[in-house]
Amino acid sequence: LAKTTQPISMDSYEGQEVNITCSHNNIATNDYITWYQQFPSQGPRFIIQGYKTKVTNEVASLFIPADRKSSTLSLPRVSLSDTAVYYCLVGAKAAGNKLTFGGGTRVLVKP
Amino acid sequence: NAGVTQTPKFQVLKTGQSMTLQCAQDMNHNSMYWYRQDPGMGLRLIYYSASEGTTDKGEVPNGYNVSRLNKREFSLRLESAAPSQTSVYFCATDRGLGSGANVLTFGAGSRLTVL
Repeated sequence: LAKTTQPISMDSYEGQEVNITCSHNNIATNDYITWYQQFPSQGPRFIIQGYKTKVTNEVASLFIPADRKSSTLSLPRVSLSDTAVYYCLVGAKAAGNKLTFGGGTRVLVKP
Repeated sequence: NAGVTQTPKFQVLKTGQSMTLQCAQDMNHNSMYWYRQDPGMGLRLIYYSASEGTTDKGEVPNGYNVSRLNKREFSLRLESAAPSQTSVYFCATDRGLGSGANVLTFGAGSRLTVL
């Protein structure tokens, strides 16, 4: 199983770019990297997923270096509503569907 | 199209009581999961079901049992509730192996308090 490590928390200000890096040194060849966002009292929701290089959607960008041992979620021009916990998850296809989360990163956006 | 539906949303139990949390999905997904989230903490996997007819233990299975009743439904049972099981429980689904990637869809959660 590819264990993930993220910073516990990050503070930012409205309009800034937030970058959260996740380490996954034991990622397997067939694993994808997926990021989720969770607001208080809600279940996590999918943000973005990638396998290598760069992926961009309307919400975020995901940067994955060639060795795939880490990934960086980039949130451009954050607003107060982006205050949430962000989780990095690596698909454990080698172990069936045993999908386990790391501790997540608590992002606080200040006015 | 409701996605993932969990019942009940809230429940208060006394120590030693039993109860079942229900989860149903209309997404035709193969895999289903139960997670728990303690206050201020991350999600921990209790049990999962890769496909109909199979269930496997996750990180914290002790004190719980599960049933994958059919492709749509995956229930979590607490036989003898303990205060340490006070938590928010989330059910999630995934397309499953062979789909190329894992993308979880979560329910709204069931908040359980054990006195």
